[in-house]
Amino acid sequence: DAGVTQSPTHLIKTRGQHVTLRCSPISGHKSVSWYQQVLGQGPQFIFQYYEKEERGRGNFPDRFSARQFPNYSSELNVNALLLGDSALYLCASSLQGRDPGELFFGEGSRLTVL
Amino acid sequence: AQRVTQPEKLLSVFKGAPVELKCNYSYSGSPELFWYVQYSRQRLQLLLRHISRESIKGFTADLNKGETSFHLKKPFAQEEDSAMYYCALSALTGNQFYFGTGTSLTVIP
Repeated sequence: DAGVTQSPTHLIKTRGQHVTLRCSPISGHKSVSWYQQVLGQGPQFIFQYYEKEERGRGNFPDRFSARQFPNYSSELNVNALLLGDSALYLCASSLQGRDPGELFFGEGSRLTVL
Repeated sequence: AQRVTQPEKLLSVFKGAPVELKCNYSYSGSPELFWYVQYSRQRLQLLLRHISRESIKGFTADLNKGETSFHLKKPFAQEEDSAMYYCALSALTGNQFYFGTGTSLTVIP
């Protein structure tokens, strides 16, 4: 198993643009979470999806949205990009949806907003 | 509000010396505490969780509810322990994790 895979690995956008980041969880994992990691900080929770339903949302503006597909892969969308959205976006999958379980992280998508 | 504090951004110890990475938390309920580690050029991965009470790679962490701490300890540091360490908490119900800012540990040969 390749583990959690994310795409793209790097991307550069300009302010006001839109971005879509993709994540494929480990086979058998039904929960996907998204985290934003700004340089020098720890990962910050954005969304969690389990069985295609949103189970949690962090303190992020409505410009951030996500969804989970029937195959449990997920997309994170960010509209109207700001310079402050520049960060590493991490996807993590886990078996459990309601109880805290081990998170398996991808390598991340590094977004630069110019 | 939930918060995880790791007071040391950088920590250097000599090989064979004891190491302690500090973690304090604030949470209104009963959280579950974790330590995640990121070795160079590797992805973030679970090191240990307090509920399992295991020793992983010689590391242990005890949850002190009175002091709201979950410090990570190892009696004899090894060079391969050099990495970035993140303390994290989650509610007992739910899968939303709150991470500290991380401590970069360097073990000097």
